Amino acid sequence: EAQVTQNPRYLITVTGKKLTVTCSQNMNHEYMSWYRQDPGLGLRQIYYSMNVEVTDKGDVPEGYKVSRKEKRNFPLILESPSPNQTSLYFCATGTGTGGWGEQFFGPGTRLTVL
Amino acid sequence: TQLLEQSPQFLSIQEGENLTVYCNSSSVFSSLQWYRQEPGEGPVLLVTVVTGGEVKKLKRLTFQFGDARKDSSLHITAAQPGDTGLYLCAGVIQGAQKLVFGQGTRLTINP
Repeated sequence: EAQVTQNPRYLITVTGKKLTVTCSQNMNHEYMSWYRQDPGLGLRQIYYSMNVEVTDKGDVPEGYKVSRKEKRNFPLILESPSPNQTSLYFCATGTGTGGWGEQFFGPGTRLTVL
Repeated sequence: TQLLEQSPQFLSIQEGENLTVYCNSSSVFSSLQWYRQEPGEGPVLLVTVVTGGEVKKLKRLTFQFGDARKDSSLHITAAQPGDTGLYLCAGVIQGAQKLVFGQGTRLTINP
């Protein structure tokens, strides 16, 4: 089954404690991205990757890091989480030119930073 | 500033009623997508429209892309409780090489 998986699905942590949210896809898509979803703000892109070893900032990259060492994995790293990073996070792969075709989303990771 | 404005942000209606959700912008889009998101899941693509004036139907859902490709609408006929969810529009801004999302319309259909 074609899918995007994220782990963990839920995470409660404290300010300053480094964390990583993993994302993996089995669809062989080149384009992957991370979004955060907040009430009233919709989906905002954090980082995206057009291919292995190529990553770029999205609209809200501050406080986040990513890596793309292999095609299927695109982890999101919060080196020093803060309460304003409490949010619902989605990893996605994209099809078509530039990856802007259909987006396939993971199930989401709900992060709470205390 | 939201590049794609959706309205209304919240809509609660009775089963069997009709409704329309709007997605508006001052930018021109080369294509526009509509997604539906259910609680605990990621958004799932419903339809993509690419031609100005294009109309696509998906059972009781009708999607329209504006002639100038700056706006779109989603019309649901005889809404059912299973239509409940968050509806998101997303567009590729012409010339900007970027996909942007609207803030979403949270739709509740009451039995």
